[in-house]
Amino acid sequence: GQQLNQSPQSMFIQEGEDVSMNCTSSSIFNTWLWYKQDPGEGPVLLIALYKAGELTSNGRLTAQFGITRKDSFLNISASIPSDVGIYFCAGRRGTSYGKLTFGQGTILTVHP
Amino acid sequence: DAGVIQSPRHEVTEMGQEVTLRCKPISGHDYLFWYRQTMMRGLELLIYFNNNVPIDDSGMPEDRFSAKMPNASFSTLKIQPSEPRDSAVYFCASSLYGTRRDNEQFFGPGTRLTVL
Repeated sequence: GQQLNQSPQSMFIQEGEDVSMNCTSSSIFNTWLWYKQDPGEGPVLLIALYKAGELTSNGRLTAQFGITRKDSFLNISASIPSDVGIYFCAGRRGTSYGKLTFGQGTILTVHP
Repeated sequence: DAGVIQSPRHEVTEMGQEVTLRCKPISGHDYLFWYRQTMMRGLELLIYFNNNVPIDDSGMPEDRFSAKMPNASFSTLKIQPSEPRDSAVYFCASSLYGTRRDNEQFFGPGTRLTVL
């Protein structure tokens, strides 16, 4: 099925550094979502984006809906140890209400 | 407010046994989704329901898998007979249609299934 290409696959950073990750697709998406998954838990919604070009923040997290509607970006500023986890992008195409396509995830490790 | 509730959290069974996973969506939500997560394949949508009716089951791997939603507050995913390759974490998620945020799915904590 339709795949989202999420990169990087993993990141090892020092506490205090900024983090950037992105998702790209060959198809247009109408909605982009970013989730975080902690070990042993389900994904938790961080940010949802509904319009091309939209820039939305949630604390130290900022996400953008690419103007081509084929990509999205997530930035984390001043990382802290509790940012550790797996970050997933997800997208919905116009004709597929309910069906989200997920990226493969970015594993983030933050060294104190 | 209670989130999505899944049970059991962990299930260990032997090949050939029947396994039933349970989910209670967020009260008032009208969409319910079942996902499977593995290292190799990531998060896969298995089936989803709208107002208790299955809408798309194209992700169900094979006939050994079945899902039901007898009412708005309960759904089951059954595997019969189970096989070792079914070992994965199974998530249930729910959402509410008709709002600006109707694409936002809320996930339960998952059931980690191990089939020996």
